[in-house]
Amino acid sequence: TQLLEQSPQFLSIQEGENLTVYCNSSSVFSSLQWYRQEPGEGPVLLVTVVTGGEVKKLKRLTFQFGDARKDSSLHITAAQPGDTGLYLCALYGGSQGNLIFGKGTKLSVKP
Amino acid sequence: EAGVAQSPRYKIIEKRQSVAFWCNPISGHATLYWYQQILGQGPKLLIQFQNNGVVDDSQLPKDRFSAERLKGVDSTLKIQPAKLEDSAVYLCASSLEVGPAVGYTFGSGTRLTVV
Repeated sequence: TQLLEQSPQFLSIQEGENLTVYCNSSSVFSSLQWYRQEPGEGPVLLVTVVTGGEVKKLKRLTFQFGDARKDSSLHITAAQPGDTGLYLCALYGGSQGNLIFGKGTKLSVKP
Repeated sequence: EAGVAQSPRYKIIEKRQSVAFWCNPISGHATLYWYQQILGQGPKLLIQFQNNGVVDDSQLPKDRFSAERLKGVDSTLKIQPAKLEDSAVYLCASSLEVGPAVGYTFGSGTRLTVV
């Protein structure tokens, strides 16, 4: 069973700061998805990465897939309070093909 | 496009009682998933349906949990009898198809507290 490790577990920063969160596995991913979950809501898909070395940008968010497809990072530039939430990475796996989630990074951005 | 609908939003029950959660996926989405998210954890898959058939229920505690999707549309997840450790958010998700690059659409979840 592939396991995903996310770090850091918690992150509290001031508005305007930059941050990076990480998602790692000992196994190779076929693809990886990033979700953001706000309190009291379900996760919302941010991006899917499938190619080693791939970089995708979504406004102030930059997602990178490692060359070996065993790790991924999410960088946020000039964080805003609206970025507060739980950031989850998920890989496609399971016995019948479904998403396996990491424990997430809980981000708090203070004004 | 309407999202994934779940009800109720909150439920408090005593241990050993039974409870049921309902989910209506996005119209046309053949695949439906139930996930359990314990506080401080990521979502964990309980069961996956393709239309009205079960594809993966390997992590479903079948002695107390059951789920059905009789007409291939909405679904019900039941717990009987509930234990304290079942306190969690139960998330329903759906997807149009299955594959490595297919994203899921989640509902807002049902927060269950077992006392």
